[in-house]
Amino acid sequence: AQSVTQLDSQVPVFEEAPVELRCNYSSSVSVYLFWYVQYPNQGLQLLLKYLSGSTLVKGINGFEAEFNKSQTSFHLRKPSVHISDTAEYFCAVSSANRDDKIIFGKGTRLHILP
Amino acid sequence: KAGVTQTPRYLIKTRGQQVTLSCSPISGHRSVSWYQQTPGQGLQFLFEYFSETQRNKGNFPGRFSGRQFSNSRSEMNVSTLELGDSALYLCASSLDRGSSYEQYFGPGTRLTVT
Repeated sequence: AQSVTQLDSQVPVFEEAPVELRCNYSSSVSVYLFWYVQYPNQGLQLLLKYLSGSTLVKGINGFEAEFNKSQTSFHLRKPSVHISDTAEYFCAVSSANRDDKIIFGKGTRLHILP
Repeated sequence: KAGVTQTPRYLIKTRGQQVTLSCSPISGHRSVSWYQQTPGQGLQFLFEYFSETQRNKGNFPGRFSGRQFSNSRSEMNVSTLELGDSALYLCASSLDRGSSYEQYFGPGTRLTVT
């Protein structure tokens, strides 16, 4: 079975500063990895996903993530955050199996400080 | 193209009652998944429907059930409501089965059980 751990429940960062949201996963099989964002009072939106190929994945809104198989990590980064990035971010994992469900982490709340 | 719609958006019920939530997927999407989101447990997978059949199920009691209609619309039902069922219930649709297909989330139904 797969599991995912988001190491920080909240991350404060100043506007225009870089940010990294950490995610580690556990799995005995090949995985797909995802980052989703949830703005207040909304559903989730896919930021980016890793299925195979290049370990550096670029997503929407200037975010990127790097798949590190040896460290079983998939950290999300953005070089310069904006106030509009205030949201909750979820890392998720599933096995690379057509029938598998997606398992979500508990989320990291990103606070942008003026 | 219209997004995923969920009705109702807000619901207040009393312990012991039952509730039915509705989800209309994006046109052409055949897979619908349901999730429960709470502050303590985060996002938990309830079940997935594809072609009117339940394909995957999470670890929830039998009080939680669902179905999918021939037009891919889905409903979930919770019987004998408990206080702990208070949560945001999210529906997500995707073009086909498998986590490699992007899931599009609706805004959710916020259920409060008193």
